[in-house]
Amino acid sequence: DAGVIQSPRHEVTEMGQEVTLRCKPISGHDYLFWYRQTMMRGLELLIYFNNNVPIDDSGMPEDRFSAKMPNASFSTLKIQPSEPRDSAVYFCASSPLDRRATYEQYFGPGTRLTVT
Amino acid sequence: GESVGLHLPTLSVQEGDNSIINCAYSNSASDYFIWYKQESGKGPQFIIDIRSNMDKRQGQRVTVLLNKTVKHLSLQIAATQPGDSAVYFCAERKRGYSTLTFGKGTMLLVSP
Repeated sequence: DAGVIQSPRHEVTEMGQEVTLRCKPISGHDYLFWYRQTMMRGLELLIYFNNNVPIDDSGMPEDRFSAKMPNASFSTLKIQPSEPRDSAVYFCASSPLDRRATYEQYFGPGTRLTVT
Repeated sequence: GESVGLHLPTLSVQEGDNSIINCAYSNSASDYFIWYKQESGKGPQFIIDIRSNMDKRQGQRVTVLLNKTVKHLSLQIAATQPGDSAVYFCAERKRGYSTLTFGKGTMLLVSP
């Protein structure tokens, strides 16, 4: 398995532009998570999906952020309009529905976003 | 150490030493704990996990200890190698939830 795939790996954009981050979870995983990582705030959960349905988006910082999961193999995180304070590394992670009660999440390589 | 501002607590060890990384968790309702390793430029990678009905679990060169009385978790790495240099995160899962809450992380630096 290729693991969780994220694109692009790096994104540099100007303030006010729309940014779309993409994620392909591991096949067969039921959960998908979007995180943001900064030095100041660490790893923050933004939103997560179960079977393509958004379950908790309370971590999404503002209405400028939106996430979709149109099917089991694809999710997007969109920022419109982007601001310099959105600069961070964004991770996607997926997790299987594990009846053995382990909750390991498998992380992608991340997208480093820089908004100038 | 405590995390202050932009600085991660850092543990510096010599190659071959044993390393102990500590983590305090906050929620007594947490029933599952996990350690991740994050190398520079990469996503976090699973190391080892433990459920709250256990006190200790061992893996290859790693041991996780759980002290529920004081809500403390530790990761022990035996015979630390330069390749172990990374940031290590603990995470907890609150009973009934599907999400993990991550700690701030500890940087481990291993010198040859």
